[in-house]
Amino acid sequence: SQTIHQWPATLVQPVGSPLSLECTVEGTSNPNLYWYRQAAGRGLQLLFYSVGIGQISSEVPQNLSASRPQDRQFILSSKKLLLSDSGFYLCAWGGHHEQYFGPGTRLTVT
Amino acid sequence: GNSVTQMEGPVTLSEEAFLTINCTYTATGYPSLFWYVQYPGEGLQLLLKATKADDKGSNKGFEATYRKETTSFHLEKGSVQVSDSAVYFCALLLPSGSARQLTFGSGTQLTVLP
Repeated sequence: SQTIHQWPATLVQPVGSPLSLECTVEGTSNPNLYWYRQAAGRGLQLLFYSVGIGQISSEVPQNLSASRPQDRQFILSSKKLLLSDSGFYLCAWGGHHEQYFGPGTRLTVT
Repeated sequence: GNSVTQMEGPVTLSEEAFLTINCTYTATGYPSLFWYVQYPGEGLQLLLKATKADDKGSNKGFEATYRKETTSFHLEKGSVQVSDSAVYFCALLLPSGSARQLTFGSGTQLTVLP
């Protein structure tokens, strides 16, 4: 069966510091991968998606970036965090008819 | 463009009450429809889905019917429990090239009181 992992689970970072969040999927090959952000009390916003290694599409201009160095690894990064980057970050992988989400990373930028 | 409109919350019910959370959608083409649930501090879990008109998705006592004529996918449960307290998201999925991107509603917070 397929599983999706995210780490870290929680993170507190100062403004201006770098960021790296990691997502890995097991039990499937060549999945579509997604990064979403959920700001406090709000719905989900799609940030990036990837249909293959090295292929990244961005949905929203921002100071975040994503990379897919391996088939089942998806990384969300920033060189300098902003206060507005605080939120709950969810990784998902896409099956044929639905998406499955990881446990999420709660990021607080102070 | 594609969009999902959900009933605004928060919704507060007593245990064993009947639940309805309304969801309507706008989409080009023929979407698949989903309800996801998010328990406090956790990621999203797929609750149920329907992939074509008149399909009924069901799970854990929840159900929703894909109504193409009214472009709706309302979530219902006959008798809610305290453990159903969570945020519920309606979503649609359309193929966009090869990406298959989900479009979410804004979420509805449900609190069930004992």
